[in-house]
Amino acid sequence: QVQLVQSGAELKKPGASVRVSCKASGYSFTGYYVHWVRQAPGQGLEWMGYINPHTGGTNYAQKFQGRVTMTRVTSISTAYMELTSLRSDDTALYYCARSLYYYDGTDYWGQGTLVTVSS
Amino acid sequence: QSVLTQPPSASGTPGQRVTISCSGSSSNIGSNTVDWYQQLPGTAPKVLIYSNHQRPSGVPDRFSGSKSGTSASLAISGLQSEDEADYYCAAWDDSLNGRVFGTGTKVTVL
Repeated sequence: QVQLVQSGAELKKPGASVRVSCKASGYSFTGYYVHWVRQAPGQGLEWMGYINPHTGGTNYAQKFQGRVTMTRVTSISTAYMELTSLRSDDTALYYCARSLYYYDGTDYWGQGTLVTVSS
Repeated sequence: QSVLTQPPSASGTPGQRVTISCSGSSSNIGSNTVDWYQQLPGTAPKVLIYSNHQRPSGVPDRFSGSKSGTSASLAISGLQSEDEADYYCAAWDDSLNGRVFGTGTKVTVL
């Protein structure tokens, strides 16, 4: 069965960086885009961008350009999202999710990774 | 910063029909398909409706979606207590070249 399993919770200080992983199983990793979506406490969903695991091509939301990098290692079917220069308002649950085409809806989601930014 | 507008809340008694609206523009709903997600407390979002009105296998037919122009709606008929959740619409936005989500609607079963 399709699964996206994310890395564990992170506690970071302001100004630091965080890298969240998303390991895919149960399907061809390079056949689906991987999106990253975040949700601040008590808030709605915010799209951050996607990576095409086949080509490595990326598309980031303008808000995160310059601070976010999405990568992948196809040999282990894992996508990564790194966010730098963390601020307190980056505290959120970060989800990965897959879609068949970049403009498609996402059909499977990871369990979420809580990133807390606090001094 | 959500581009798609939803009512913050909706409610109904068990068995009633509840409808949630999602208002966008020509660059998102007007030119791309709409998806709906259900987020139960403490869990990741789950797709309820994709491509405006398609239901993934396993989603009850009590849930239905529609789209007209730059708006979309999700209907829940025969409301049940387990439908208490947050619901989000989403679509690709050609102008932003990115995916946009609705503001979210909290459904309460009275």
